[in-house]
This record gives sequence, C-alpha cells and structure tokens, in this order.
Amino acid sequence: EAAVTQSPRSKVAVTGGKVTLSCHQTNNHDYMYWYRQDTGHGLRLIHYSYVADSTEKGDIPDGYKASRPSQENFSLILELASLSQTAVYFCASSVRGRDSDYTFGSGTRLLVI
Amino acid sequence: GQQVQQSPASLVLQEGENAELQCNFSSTATQLQWFYQSPGGSLVSLLSNPSGTKHTGRLTSTTVTKERRSSLHISSSQTTDSGTYLCAPGGNYKPTFGKGTSLVVHP
Repeated sequence: EAAVTQSPRSKVAVTGGKVTLSCHQTNNHDYMYWYRQDTGHGLRLIHYSYVADSTEKGDIPDGYKASRPSQENFSLILELASLSQTAVYFCASSVRGRDSDYTFGSGTRLLVI
Repeated sequence: GQQVQQSPASLVLQEGENAELQCNFSSTATQLQWFYQSPGGSLVSLLSNPSGTKHTGRLTSTTVTKERRSSLHISSSQTTDSGTYLCAPGGNYKPTFGKGTSLVVHP
C-alpha cells in the first residue's frame, strides 16, 4: 500500500543542535511537503518540492532547510534548533492532477529543550 | 497570502445528527480539499472539490468558487466521525490549511 513514512516518530533535541527529520514515500508522487502544526496555528507549510534535487520555500521557511535527493526522500533540517521549533511536523506527498491522493505521514513530535 | 476561516470552531452532536462545516477563504483557489485529523493526530484526505458539489459516502461538499467558500455536510453522524476537519484551498499544488472545526459526536 502506498505510504508516507516519517522518522523519527518523536525526538528531543537540545537548543542549538542540529536536527534532521526524514520522510520516505512509496506513492511515486511528484510533490512532497513539510508542515508544522502548533496549537492555535494549524498546519503551516515550511518547504515543498515538486521534483528531485529541487526545493521551494513555503510560508514559514526561516530556520529550516530541506533536501530532496530522490523522488522518494525528502528531509527537513534544523541547523540550529530553537525552543520555538517545538512542534509536530508532518510530511505529505501528492501528485499532479489527483488532489484526492494527498497523503500524510504520521508525524514527528519534536521537543527542543 | 491565502487566509482561511473555518466555522464553527467546535461542534458537539448526538449520534445520528447532521453537521454543517463552513470554510471561507480570501483568495481565488483552483484547488480545494477537505481533510480529517483523528484525535490521535493522523491526517487523511476526505475529498477534493474546487467547484460545485461532490458526494462521497455520508459527506457532501459544496464549493462556490466565485464567493470563495466551501461547505462540508456530514449526514447521520457517528461517534467515529469525532475529530478535526480541515479545509485547504490552494493552487499550484500548494494548499493553505484552516485551523479546523473540532467535531465531537456523542453516542
């Protein structure tokens, strides 16, 4: 079954440290996305990609980098983690022409201390 | 950027009652999706309806593109419908999510 898999499921990071969140999809989808979800803000787009080796800034890219080395893999990198980056992070994939095939991963709960 | 307002913020029903969820957005959208987030946090796409009316199971969505609004009707609610419903208008495959309507269905 087509799926979006995120790792790790949860993580505790130290302020100033580097954090990498990984996402792998078996949907053969073009588009991949990283969102963060916070109480009171809903889901906000951080970075997205529509083709391998290319990433685009979303609505809140500051403090985050993204990497898409292949169609299947999309990573979110926090070079210097900060307390304000404590949130739940969701990866998603979709395909051009089939909006209903929008698929989310199960989320990564990140706590920065 | 796109602003999305969903109403009501929360809704409590008895099983069997119908629910009407509203979504208003500030800019033209060529795509519009409704998502469900379970109490455990998992997110699934319910349907895509950028214009007109679309039915799937007990769900009916009506989107009036010119008025920048969409609705989601849930008929004969069940306890398993409890969760948060998110509206996401967008374009170029870049949806903007509303904060959602939290639905609780009591047995």
